[in-house]
Parts: sequence; structure tokens; C-alpha cells
Amino acid sequence: GQNIDQPTEMTATEGAIVQINCTYQTSGFNGLFWYQQHAGEAPTFLSYNVLDGLEEKGRFSSFLSRSKGYSYLLLKELQMKDSASYLCAVRDQGYKLSFGAGTTVTVRA
Amino acid sequence: KAGVTQTPRYLIKTRGQQVTLSCSPISGHRSVSWYQQTPGQGLQFLFEYFSETQRNKGNFPGRFSGRQFSNSRSEMNVSTLELGDSALYLCASSGDPQETQYFGPGTRLLVL
Repeated sequence: GQNIDQPTEMTATEGAIVQINCTYQTSGFNGLFWYQQHAGEAPTFLSYNVLDGLEEKGRFSSFLSRSKGYSYLLLKELQMKDSASYLCAVRDQGYKLSFGAGTTVTVRA
Repeated sequence: KAGVTQTPRYLIKTRGQQVTLSCSPISGHRSVSWYQQTPGQGLQFLFEYFSETQRNKGNFPGRFSGRQFSNSRSEMNVSTLELGDSALYLCASSGDPQETQYFGPGTRLLVL
């Protein structure tokens, strides 16, 4: 099974940087995903890591360390529209996705 | 390309009734997964279908069932509804199980 932990809430100022950590314990690892979910909407795909290292995509970057069971999502140059819930999801070797509880990020002016 | 569509978007039922939700995947996608999202439990995996076969199943009671048709459209059914079944039901599709999943807008079910 999977055990996925991420902080419940984070608050940051517009223009700042926020790092959302995710730790996991899994019986078989086959990739880690980050999704963004605005209130009342569906999750949208942000990033995917399967090998160790940093993946950068515009203002968003995601890092993975498989040996430590650790990932983070880095949001740079925060904008008000980045206020949302960020979901860490781990895929097992059967391609089943398990989600963390999500981190609610509030961006303040 | 059109995204994942789900119908209906909102639904109100009473305890003991049954409900059927529908999901149409992105064109060309053959894998469909279903999730239940509640404030207390977060996103919980229900089941996954690929080429009309159930590949994976989560830890939900047998009241929750699903199927997939030859055109990859999928339905999930919940029988004998309970108050605790009130949730947002999300469907996600991918080309095949190895690929990234893309979510539909969800069906919000309220059980009274």
C-alpha cells in the first residue's frame, strides 16, 4: 500500500516562492505526479517524475528522490491564481494512483 | 481535443436508491479510472478499466461497481445509497495505464 504525507496548508505572498513537500512509503514505486485543484474544479496535471532529479516547467518545478521517498513542488513568482489545493500522487507498479490529502496554498497580496 | 466529460454534473438522491454516473474519456484514451473525493478522506481510488476489463480495484464495498464499453466510455453504479456516499466522483482517462491521467469535471452526488 501507499502512505503519502504532505502539509495541510501553506500561505505565501504574491511574487514569493513556496515549496510543498511530499513524503511517501510505497510497496512498489512507478512514478510521482503533482496535480493542482481549484475549489470546486477537477484536478489538473502539473508534473510527473519517475527518475531522481528536478523537472522544470515554467514557474513550476518538481523534484524527486526515490531513495528518500521524497518529492517537492516548487512554485515560483506566485500569483493569486495559484491559490489552490496541490495533490501529490504516487503510482505503484500496477499503475494504480494513490493521492495525498492535498496542500491548500493561499496566496496573499 | 475535447477533454473528459462526465454526466450528470450534479445529482440528488435519497438513501436506498441507486445511481449511475457516466464518463466519456478523451478521444483515443482507453483507460478510465474512477475516484471518490470527500473533504475528510481526500481522493480515493475506486477502480480502473482498460479495454473493457477491470484492471485495478480500490477498497470500496461491492455496492460500487463499474463497467466500460467498447467505445471506452465508462459507467459507475452505486446501489443502496448511504449518506456517506455524498461526494464528488471524478473520472480520469489516459491513453493506457502507463500514461498520465486527465480528470473530468466530476459528478457531485448528494444523498439525503
